[in-house]
Amino acid sequence: GNSVTQMEGPVTLSEEAFLTINCTYTATGYPSLFWYVQYPGEGLQLLLKATKADDKGSNKGFEATYRKETTSFHLEKGSVQVSDSAVYFCALTHSNSGYALNFGKGTSLLVTP
Amino acid sequence: SQTIHQWPATLVQPVGSPLSLECTVEGTSNPNLYWYRQAAGRGLQLLFYSVGIGQISSEVPQNLSASRPQDRQFILSSKKLLLSDSGFYLCAWSVQTGRLAEAFFGQGTRLTVV
Repeated sequence: GNSVTQMEGPVTLSEEAFLTINCTYTATGYPSLFWYVQYPGEGLQLLLKATKADDKGSNKGFEATYRKETTSFHLEKGSVQVSDSAVYFCALTHSNSGYALNFGKGTSLLVTP
Repeated sequence: SQTIHQWPATLVQPVGSPLSLECTVEGTSNPNLYWYRQAAGRGLQLLFYSVGIGQISSEVPQNLSASRPQDRQFILSSKKLLLSDSGFYLCAWSVQTGRLAEAFFGQGTRLTVV
């Protein structure tokens, strides 16, 4: 079946540090890939997405590139802010599961001043 | 614009009691609807999804059930809660555009079974 694996947290960074959160997936064919963010006490919000190989999703300074050859969708940001502290979820959708989001376990990010 | 309502926000229930969580979507027709559970340290687990009225697919066998009595209403139920049912339950919807489907989440229900 489909699955998503992302790096374990928590990740603690100083403000303005470079961020990478690794995400790899297992699925047949060409799933769509997503990063969602959950700020403390809130529901999930879409951060960015990519629907085919070599697509780059970007939003709020975050980027991720759909790499078919490595089945990866790593999240990066050049300079994190305290307000980026949240839990980040990598996810995929596929036609074989009604396009339901299949999430990784989430990575908690804490950015300190 | 589309909105999703999920209630209650928090719930404390004794073991063995029934459960009913409700989710409604406004501003769209024939959405895909989803129930997820977020347990501590376990990420988000898809419980049920529905592509139409009366159509429910279960991803994980357990003592929970889901129903979709109306196009934009999705209900999560249990006849007898277990301690292991505690968690954060999220309802979500997406338009049926396949690969481009972006899901929108409710604010969640924090369920504590005591």
